[in-house]
Amino acid sequence: QVQLQESGPGLVKPSETLSLTCTVSGGSLNTFYWSWIRQSPGKGLEWIGFIYYIGTTNYNPSLKSRVSISLDTSKTQISLRLNSVTAADTAIYYCARLSPRGDAFDIWGLGALVTVSS
Amino acid sequence: EIVLTQSPDFQSVTPKEKVTITCRASQDIGSSIHWYQQKPGQSPKLLIKYASQSVSGAPSRFSGRGSGTDFTLTISSLEAEDAATYYCHQSSGFPFTFGQGTKLDIK
Repeated sequence: QVQLQESGPGLVKPSETLSLTCTVSGGSLNTFYWSWIRQSPGKGLEWIGFIYYIGTTNYNPSLKSRVSISLDTSKTQISLRLNSVTAADTAIYYCARLSPRGDAFDIWGLGALVTVSS
Repeated sequence: EIVLTQSPDFQSVTPKEKVTITCRASQDIGSSIHWYQQKPGQSPKLLIKYASQSVSGAPSRFSGRGSGTDFTLTISSLEAEDAATYYCHQSSGFPFTFGQGTKLDIK
């Protein structure tokens, strides 16, 4: 059974870089797209971007200038970096798997709350 | 960007009631709409993909319909455990987008 677990600092200072890692257990990264999605407190869901298992990426234009997603297949990990953060980036960050067709998010991690504050 | 608008934003419902949630897309997206359930303190869970396809593990009382711009998620007979926020999501075009959510409260 594939499971996803996000990890990383829960507090980031304004203007610094948010870094999170998603560890995949029970399966490999092959054939799937791996995505990051965030949810601001009390608000809806925002797609950040995804990376295909061969390394191809696609980002939300609203964040594209600040975001980078990468993967380490040997460790079955997907990483997120978001630079120049502000309070507006405070959110729960989810790692999610897209099916091989790149359509629905069929498996989600538990999420990691990141607060941007000095 | 494709905008998804859900209605209602909030609904208070009684057990065994039939519930319908609507998701309207700002342009034709075929059947590329997927539905998720998010309970408080949990991550979203996929319920329906491609407008009407059931997914493994989702209760059979959940069903979806629609194509083009108008879609519905129906709960045939509401159970107390269905108290949650429901989101639609489109994969027709980038960036992927979600509806604003519909919160169901059980009376």
